[in-house]
Amino acid sequence: GAVVSQHPSWVICKSGTSVKIECRSLDFQATTMFWYRQFPKQSLMLMATSNEGSKATYEQGVEKDKFLINHASLTLSTLTVTSAHPEDSSFYICSARKTSGGAHIQYFGAGTRLSVL
Amino acid sequence: AQKITQTQPGMFVQEKEAVTLDCTYDTSDPSYGLFWYKQPSSGEMIFLIYQGSYDQQNATEGRYSLNFQKARKSANLVISASQLGDSAMYFCAMREGTTSGTYKYIFGTGTRLKVLA
Repeated sequence: GAVVSQHPSWVICKSGTSVKIECRSLDFQATTMFWYRQFPKQSLMLMATSNEGSKATYEQGVEKDKFLINHASLTLSTLTVTSAHPEDSSFYICSARKTSGGAHIQYFGAGTRLSVL
Repeated sequence: AQKITQTQPGMFVQEKEAVTLDCTYDTSDPSYGLFWYKQPSSGEMIFLIYQGSYDQQNATEGRYSLNFQKARKSANLVISASQLGDSAMYFCAMREGTTSGTYKYIFGTGTRLKVLA
């Protein structure tokens, strides 16, 4: 298997502050990581694709200045929610792609529940 | 049109029985991958099984098997000998290539499985 660690698992912050979420692949290197947002009882919504050493690719409708992504190493990607507002409250989950025998499998972190007051 | 369709929003199965979760997909990419993930109430996404479009045999992983019917574009998940711990949300996902040479992952809306004692 493959282990992806996401931290923090839960965060409460005041409106207007910034929150950083870390995603680490613990036992493999990942040139590509993904950031998703999930609303209650809904599927995953891809926010952006994080590429090591280059700029992230954002999905349509996702503000890149609002959701800053940095993929500085082959094992770490970070998502910073800048100037958070209550509407940013959600479940954020990252994944790291591992290539094995031609299969490109995403392994997910445990997710981060963000509550903005 | 939906790329990944899971028509069963919810399913019940008796403990120790087998259950099939449906998934149909739509893609024009001849090289694609199909995945199933389990999301328990804790929120983490757990990778279960992978099927490549060129794989001749159906994928199996322990109690999980993927019934891959390429002509019908279906990739149903079969869970044998259901256990109470199998109660969770299950997502079918597909990886397909894009015109820019990257991969895109698409998730279905999920099926909530409840295993009854």
